[in-house]
Amino acid sequence: NAGVTQTPKFQVLKTGQSMTLQCAQDMNHNSMYWYRQDPGMGLRLIYYSASEGTTDKGEVPNGYNVSRLNKREFSLRLESAAPSQTSVYFCASSDQGALGELFFGEGSRLTVL
Amino acid sequence: GQQVMQIPQYQHVQEGEDFTTYCNSSTTLSNIQWYKQRPGGHPVFLIQLVKSGEVKKQKRLTFQFGEAKKNSSLHITATQTTDVGTYFCAGFNQAGTALIFGKGTTLSVSS
Repeated sequence: NAGVTQTPKFQVLKTGQSMTLQCAQDMNHNSMYWYRQDPGMGLRLIYYSASEGTTDKGEVPNGYNVSRLNKREFSLRLESAAPSQTSVYFCASSDQGALGELFFGEGSRLTVL
Repeated sequence: GQQVMQIPQYQHVQEGEDFTTYCNSSTTLSNIQWYKQRPGGHPVFLIQLVKSGEVKKQKRLTFQFGEAKKNSSLHITATQTTDVGTYFCAGFNQAGTALIFGKGTTLSVSS
């Protein structure tokens, strides 16, 4: 049982390049989330999907897009990467929305030069 | 928007000392969750509190939810080196559909 799987684990981009972070969960959870973590800033919510077919903005959505491809998969896209998007990105899922425990992936460390 | 504030940001203790981190919200929280993140790891769920004045214990960890449901605390008795990490509290966003995290308290323990 893999839980929440994120790919890639590490990525280095140049300013202006695009990339997609992939996230998949095998727990049949309805809700999925993308957070970013920066030193001293805690975890900030980028986008979330309360259920398949819906997505909503979180605290810091600018510069990102998301796709809830199916119940299992929730991807995060950077269309034109900026150095300010250098961060560790965590995907999480929950079976009861915000009432339930969040299960996090291992994280994806992104550096934008 | 809703904010969840945590203090202190950092805390260093000697092994065996107690540790407390506090979480405060400007609005009433319907529930609050606590997570622990070990260095280099990902956040792991510890507990959820729902009721006003609720107190829950997990071995040396004691979690409290304030009477007004605007604050919460995590207390660790007799810290061990295995307690090292960052502790986060999290509460609902205004829509009640996603968790908003505090900035965390990073605990270091020297033996």
